[in-house]
Amino acid sequence: LAKTTQPISMDSYEGQEVNITCSHNNIATNDYITWYQQFPSQGPRFIIQGYKTKVTNEVASLFIPADRKSSTLSLPRVSLSDTAVYYCLVVNTGRRALTFGSGTRLQVQP
Amino acid sequence: DTEVTQTPKHLVMGMTNKKSLKCEQHMGHRAMYWYKQKAKKPPELMFVYSYEKLSINESVPSRFSPECPNSSLLNLHLHALQPEDSALYLCASSQERSGGSTDTQYFGPGTRLTVL
Repeated sequence: LAKTTQPISMDSYEGQEVNITCSHNNIATNDYITWYQQFPSQGPRFIIQGYKTKVTNEVASLFIPADRKSSTLSLPRVSLSDTAVYYCLVVNTGRRALTFGSGTRLQVQP
Repeated sequence: DTEVTQTPKHLVMGMTNKKSLKCEQHMGHRAMYWYKQKAKKPPELMFVYSYEKLSINESVPSRFSPECPNSSLLNLHLHALQPEDSALYLCASSQERSGGSTDTQYFGPGTRLTVL
């Protein structure tokens, strides 16, 4: 399983764009990069998934360079409600179970 | 309906008690999961059921006993737990499509378990 490394915590202010970078040097050919968000005392929630280049949905964008050894989750114009833990995961098509890393605690200030 | 429900929300039990956690989904998903999450830590996989059969057991102690009575239900039977088993227990489900894809996991809100 590819291990992921991401910052332990980040601080931001409302209205700013937040970029969280994740390193996954041992990513394999059939691995996808997936991000989940978790609020206190709730289950994680899927945000976005990608294989390469750029993926965008209504919540976030995911940038993956050609070598796929890292990825960046971009949250545009964050609000207080985006305060949460964000997990970067490498998900293998052959093993569906998720292996969570330590995550990044994002604190958004007014 | 993209909801996974878990009952109870909170559970306090003694070390000699027997209790069960329940999880239910009506999304037609054929894979269901149990995760354990300690405070300030990431979720850790415990069990995976695929088409109602246990496919992954992450070396979980036998005092935790999973059961999948049908494709919509997942139980976790608890017996003779220890205080260090106190945690948030999360259930999740996913579609389990055929190979070459990854399926989004939908998590329930969890059961907060306290073992005295």
